[in-house]
Amino acid sequence: AQSVTQPDIHITVSEGASLELRCNYSYGATPYLFWYVQSPGQGLQLLLKYFSGDTLVQGIKGFEAEFKRSQSSFNLRKPSVHWSDAAEYFCAVAPSRAGSYQLTFGKGTKLSVIP
Amino acid sequence: DTAVSQTPKYLVTQMGNDKSIKCEQNLGHDTMYWYKQDSKKFLKIMFSYNNKELIINETVPNRFSPKSPDKAHLNLHINSLELGDSAVYFCASSQDAATSGGLQETQYFGPGTRLLVL
Repeated sequence: AQSVTQPDIHITVSEGASLELRCNYSYGATPYLFWYVQSPGQGLQLLLKYFSGDTLVQGIKGFEAEFKRSQSSFNLRKPSVHWSDAAEYFCAVAPSRAGSYQLTFGKGTKLSVIP
Repeated sequence: DTAVSQTPKYLVTQMGNDKSIKCEQNLGHDTMYWYKQDSKKFLKIMFSYNNKELIINETVPNRFSPKSPDKAHLNLHINSLELGDSAVYFCASSQDAATSGGLQETQYFGPGTRLLVL
């Protein structure tokens, strides 16, 4: 079974600083990988996803993520954080095989932004 | 237009009551899901329906019963509510992996239903 680890429970950065949120996964092959963001009191919004191809994936709101097979990682980055980026971020994985619908989430990383 | 909608957004009820949460998607997707997010923000899948057929049924008390009247709707009925059922319940939908070329398609989430059992 697949699993996802987000090592950082809470990260605080200053507005304008760069950001990297870590995500490691455990799966027998290369899974499908996702980052979702949840603003306070809101639902989940897809930031970006990786299925195959270029290992550097661009998403919405200026976010990007890089898939590194050798490290089983899919870290999320943003060069300059805005106060509106304060939210909970979830990494998720799904098996890369037909007929599979199981999406497994990490426990999330809460991002706080200092003005 | 909202792609995945849930009603109600908030639900406060007494222990022992029976309640339903409704979910509708207008994306034309074949597969729908229910997730539970606990107080520590951990998201875990509960059920998944594909073309009105149950395909994922995780270890969930049988007080929880999903019902899919058609492909666009997946409702969640909860009997004899308990304090531990308090959580945020998210509905999601995706295109059928079979019709999307065998790929696990992206899941789109609703805004959530915040359930509080007193």
